[in-house]
Amino acid sequence: GIQVEQSPPDLILQEGANSTLRCNFSDSVNNLQWFHQNPWGQLINLFYIPSGTKQNGRLSATTVATERYSLLYISSSQTTDSGVYFCAVGAENRDDKIIFGKGTRLHILP
Amino acid sequence: NAGVMQNPRHLVRRRGQEARLRCSPMKGHSHVYWYRQLPEEGLKFMVYLQKENIIDESGMPKERFSAEFPKEGPSILRIQQVVRGDSAAYFCASSPLPGNSPLHFGNGTRLTVT
Repeated sequence: GIQVEQSPPDLILQEGANSTLRCNFSDSVNNLQWFHQNPWGQLINLFYIPSGTKQNGRLSATTVATERYSLLYISSSQTTDSGVYFCAVGAENRDDKIIFGKGTRLHILP
Repeated sequence: NAGVMQNPRHLVRRRGQEARLRCSPMKGHSHVYWYRQLPEEGLKFMVYLQKENIIDESGMPKERFSAEFPKEGPSILRIQQVVRGDSAAYFCASSPLPGNSPLHFGNGTRLTVT
């Protein structure tokens, strides 16, 4: 099945810093999403982005489907950005299950 | 417009008992996914269902685990004869279409087996 790798696994930043999280996948996809799991365990859908670029406030994401990667950018980090960021993908022309990467754990220091 | 509703939020079972986890998808969504998350780990796919159909259960253990999504009512994940290793957070997600549409997650059920 499709493989999803996220990097870095852990990231510690000072408040106000910018960060880039990466998601590599091993097959063509028709579904790619970024999620934030907050410290209380809730999963928040950040972007549905199988291709192209989207922006929402301080967050933006870009997926280059032909090169099989996606990037999540967080600018001017705040302590509330702490948590785990997951990339999830669905392989094209396969069954429709959505597979998650292992996540990037982000800790923003005040 | 209520989101995905999971209940209970917390469930404690003794070894050997049965656990039943419920998931009501968002209104208009007919596709449900179940995932398991162990502490400090990612989400592992378990099963994908449409109304009255199991589409993919490749991530579900062959024994003791079953899932259904009846024509009426919530989707149910059932774990028989629970063991300590079943302790985890179980998340349900729904989508309106298969494959190329976003998933919306519930808040999860945290199962503790004592």
